[in-house]
Amino acid sequence: RKEVEQDPGPFNVPEGATVAFNCTYSNSASQSFFWYRQDCRKEPKLLMSVYSSGNEDGRFTAQLNRASQYISLLIRDSKLSDSATYLCVVPRRNQGGKLIFGQGTELSVKP
Amino acid sequence: NAGVTQTPKFRVLKTGQSMTLLCAQDMNHEYMYWYRQDPGMGLRLIHYSVGEGTTAKGEVPDGYNVSRLKKQNFLLGLESAAPSQTSVYFCASRSITDRDIDTQYFGPGTRLTVL
Repeated sequence: RKEVEQDPGPFNVPEGATVAFNCTYSNSASQSFFWYRQDCRKEPKLLMSVYSSGNEDGRFTAQLNRASQYISLLIRDSKLSDSATYLCVVPRRNQGGKLIFGQGTELSVKP
Repeated sequence: NAGVTQTPKFRVLKTGQSMTLLCAQDMNHEYMYWYRQDPGMGLRLIHYSVGEGTTAKGEVPDGYNVSRLKKQNFLLGLESAAPSQTSVYFCASRSITDRDIDTQYFGPGTRLTVL
């Protein structure tokens, strides 16, 4: 089993839709989690951090379920500009800040 | 404040050639990382450094070497390039004093093709 797994998609949704991505992780000791956004052929950029049960920032909500070892990202009222690949990232503690990346979920928002 | 920069942005090599990728950061970060990203895959850690003069192997270190002679620079070397090393290479840096403890800042990437 991979340390971090995501549904690769692609998710094709119309503008205004609500879309959710899930990510599962294997290390039950993990304490913090991240969602990064990556636009085509560009560097990943931090979207949200999740330390406790969840985090909300405008149209974006990240939730953590420690018992089932998954993190979700919910995007409400999708915009064309939300089209990107969303990477689920789990840091390895006490290992020089190493990050373990999922393979990414591709989102395409259509007019 | 340039953040993390990488040179070159693009490069085409022939099998067996060598090259060095340069990563530079102006944020006085202690930690620096080299990743590669292949189609349909997340980023995989090649090597990393927790301070000037120190380096360590990541998940996929074979075929690469690194050096961190100055705090602001992290070099990735390919001694004898192979087609399997065709990839996009990202450098990242992080400070241990960041509020978001594990936030890494990424460079724009280097697209390398080995023929």
